[in-house]
Amino acid sequence: EPEVTQTPSHQVTQMGQEVILRCVPISNHLYFYWYRQILGQKVEFLVSFYNNEISEKSEIFDDQFSVERPDGSNFTLKIRSTKLEDSAMYFCATGTSGYNEQFFGPGTRLTVL
Amino acid sequence: GDSVTQMEGPVTLSEEAFLTINCTYTATGYPSLFWYVQYPGEGLQLLLKATKADDKGSNKGFEATYRKETTSFHLEKGSVQVSDSAVYFCALSGGAAGNKLTFGGGTRVLVKP
Repeated sequence: EPEVTQTPSHQVTQMGQEVILRCVPISNHLYFYWYRQILGQKVEFLVSFYNNEISEKSEIFDDQFSVERPDGSNFTLKIRSTKLEDSAMYFCATGTSGYNEQFFGPGTRLTVL
Repeated sequence: GDSVTQMEGPVTLSEEAFLTINCTYTATGYPSLFWYVQYPGEGLQLLLKATKADDKGSNKGFEATYRKETTSFHLEKGSVQVSDSAVYFCALSGGAAGNKLTFGGGTRVLVKP
């Protein structure tokens, strides 16, 4: 069964450093999402991406964040200058349409020191 | 904006007990409703969904009915197993909020043998 994969599974970085989190979507999926879950809190929407552009973003998704599909397969989330409060589990999700279920990857745990 | 409220856990049960996790939502328009499950150390997996009022989603012995009149989507299972121990998330998408998922806070369920 096809699945969404994410790398790395765990990333440790120093405050102020840039990180790139990678996701490989299910091959025929066209809609891509990033969510995050700070330890003990809700899963929060960050951004949705369709047709090579952002379709919606939350207020969390400020100028330090960016997304792209650099090679038509990977879907990446870049955090330019990490802060302590960016420590969270980041989930990639993909879907075949805008209103159907989303399929989640296993997540990347980001720890900012 | 849209929101989802679900009962706080942890919920501790014995094997073969009946499980109910309450979920209510606030949304404009006609959202789709989902239950996702997160097993220890894993990502979010879709458990079941319902896309319109009075629809019943079911999977793996779990059921939930979309109740528009009470804005609820309670999850039930008649006889739980130890393997059902996980965190369960109620979520919605669609309606006026677009295609992002809005999650409840999650309910941890622990089933003891």
